[in-house]
Amino acid sequence: QSALTQPRSVSGSPGQSVTISCTGTSNDVGFYNFVSWYQQHPGKAPKLILYDVVERPSGVPDRFSGSKSGNTASLTISTLQAEDEAEYSCCSYAGSYTFVFGGGTRLTVL
Amino acid sequence: QVQLVQSGSELKKPGASVKISCKASGYTFTKSAINWMRQAPGQGLEWMGWINTNTGSPMYAQDFTGRFVFSLDTSVSTSYLQISSLKAEDSAVYFCARGSETSSAFDYWGQGALVTVSS
Repeated sequence: QSALTQPRSVSGSPGQSVTISCTGTSNDVGFYNFVSWYQQHPGKAPKLILYDVVERPSGVPDRFSGSKSGNTASLTISTLQAEDEAEYSCCSYAGSYTFVFGGGTRLTVL
Repeated sequence: QVQLVQSGSELKKPGASVKISCKASGYTFTKSAINWMRQAPGQGLEWMGWINTNTGSPMYAQDFTGRFVFSLDTSVSTSYLQISSLKAEDSAVYFCARGSETSSAFDYWGQGALVTVSS
């Protein structure tokens, strides 16, 4: 299946909010509430920050929130901090025990 | 605490094979699937597939059939990814990740293993 579509880059100033979109199809994002988001700093492993569209793992700040409308899921990071600068990737369950990732979005904190 | 520790970087020639390990600790290995992901230089993550750590049954994404093999050694809580007939385009970082017991996500990741294919 095709990768989910994410913007290549977004940016924001400290204290602002940014939203990253993740667009799939009615066979993945649109059908299942099984979208997860990962934060990856350069040279590091991805870290789970949201799962099942809106749920946060223990220890993830509530500045990170998720939503979904139709075939598009979104990650919103409020009150941006310098350490939020990273690559963010979405992933959706696509049925039949398969998953698909987005291409990743680089967040720059200005 | 849950940890996945992968083997180190590999430099291989085209046509060779490579086997990467992913050793789990801090939980019951057979209770969660191990997923494998690829990240080519400057590219996004690709889901390669997963292996059922209880039955040993693998499932491969469409783009990763044929030359890619997942395996297990449950006696040492380790999963393996073997890639044969290596090509330059296989050069990437390969991650293993645990499938969460309670959600659809990948909740713990290995540190990644860099494979470089060059003559």
